[in-house]
Amino acid sequence: QVQLVESGGGLVKPGGSLRLSCAASGFTFSDYYMSWIRQAPGKGLEWVSYISSSGSSIYNADSVKGRFTISRDNAKNSLFLHMNSLRAEDTAVYYCARETGWRFDPWGQGTLVTVSS
Amino acid sequence: QSALTQPRSVSGSPGQSVTISCTGTSSDVGGYNYVSWYQQHPGKAPKLMIYDVSKRPSGVPDRFSGSKSGNTASLTISGLQAEDEADYYCCSYAGSYTPWVFGGGTKLTVL
Repeated sequence: QVQLVESGGGLVKPGGSLRLSCAASGFTFSDYYMSWIRQAPGKGLEWVSYISSSGSSIYNADSVKGRFTISRDNAKNSLFLHMNSLRAEDTAVYYCARETGWRFDPWGQGTLVTVSS
Repeated sequence: QSALTQPRSVSGSPGQSVTISCTGTSSDVGGYNYVSWYQQHPGKAPKLMIYDVSKRPSGVPDRFSGSKSGNTASLTISGLQAEDEADYYCCSYAGSYTPWVFGGGTKLTVL
């Protein structure tokens, strides 16, 4: 079945870096756009970044522009989010999600990133 | 891009119907027929319930329906069941610069 599994979250100090991964299975990964979406504790969902199927087109939310970089490895069915200059307000559960048409389906289970000294 | 506006909470008794609104602008909800709705139970990942304003993915009960009028989209849940108690989020395409915007979420309580 279609599955997305995130990893790489953890505790990091302000100003630090982290790389999140999302392993895809059960579908032809290279055919789909992918996104990262985050949810701060007790808060709503916030779209962070998306990447086209080939990786040639990338868009980022203003809140992470210049700090976060999305990438993918279609040969390894993997999506990444490289996060630099992390701030306390980046603390959240980060979900990867497949873009199917104009919707997100499915979502991974999420990985928690905590930015704290 | 500002978040879409949803009521913080709604409630209903089993068997009743509830409607959750999602208000945006002509740059997002009003400009495209690409509104989707997600259900999220505590500690779980969001699940797609409605897409393209009113379409239901396979496996989603027909008790869930979506609509749109102008800059406001709506999710209606009829025949409320206990398992419908969850947070619901709307999402709209908002153009190529900032493609996606979410609503702030609505907590549905089944009394």
